[in-house]
Amino acid sequence: GAVVSQHPSWVICKSGTSVKIECRSLDFQATTMFWYRQFPKQSLMLMATSNEGSKATYEQGVEKDKFLINHASLTLSTLTVTSAHPEDSSFYICSATVRGRSTDTQYFGPGTRLTVL
Amino acid sequence: EDQVTQSPEALRLQEGESSSLNCSYTVSGLRGLFWYRQDPGKGPEFLFTLYSAGEEKEKERLKATLTKKESFLHITAPKPEDSATYLCAVQAASGTYKYIFGTGTRLKVLA
Repeated sequence: GAVVSQHPSWVICKSGTSVKIECRSLDFQATTMFWYRQFPKQSLMLMATSNEGSKATYEQGVEKDKFLINHASLTLSTLTVTSAHPEDSSFYICSATVRGRSTDTQYFGPGTRLTVL
Repeated sequence: EDQVTQSPEALRLQEGESSSLNCSYTVSGLRGLFWYRQDPGKGPEFLFTLYSAGEEKEKERLKATLTKKESFLHITAPKPEDSATYLCAVQAASGTYKYIFGTGTRLKVLA
């Protein structure tokens, strides 16, 4: 159980275009999903918290107009990188939260490699 | 300020050579401590959740323990397939659902 998928697994785009990444919880409902960015040999950097039916909460320094997040249902959150530039090239990972009795466990997707030319 | 520190940054072991990875944390009330394994180019894979000091959990060659200040991930008789980056994260009892991640330990097990 607790499987999270991401689509696409990799994408190459031209500078100035927009790219949408989907994150789905396959066998559970997730009211909260997270979006992370990871640079080579570094840990995960939280970008935003996505809550179903409400606006996402962005971390300090993350441009909300550039990284648009939509959590349309209990099983789907999307991240759109608008007007992508080479510096946006990175590994993007989502997670979906399973609520427990006293804590919440995040299950991660396989990641999406974005390359902006 | 809530903080998670992992050590060592990198570790090379011979196959069968047991060792421990450390995760030290400072948090204003611990809701949970989590261990993940991450292979290159993939998302983190959930291993364990620990809730309170004294708790231990095991899975195959891995055993996680927790004290009030740190957690250890013990690897017994590791195999090359255990090579990965191991990430530790904590969730504070501050009302948000965010994790605070450590920078990870890159483990390489040599055959």
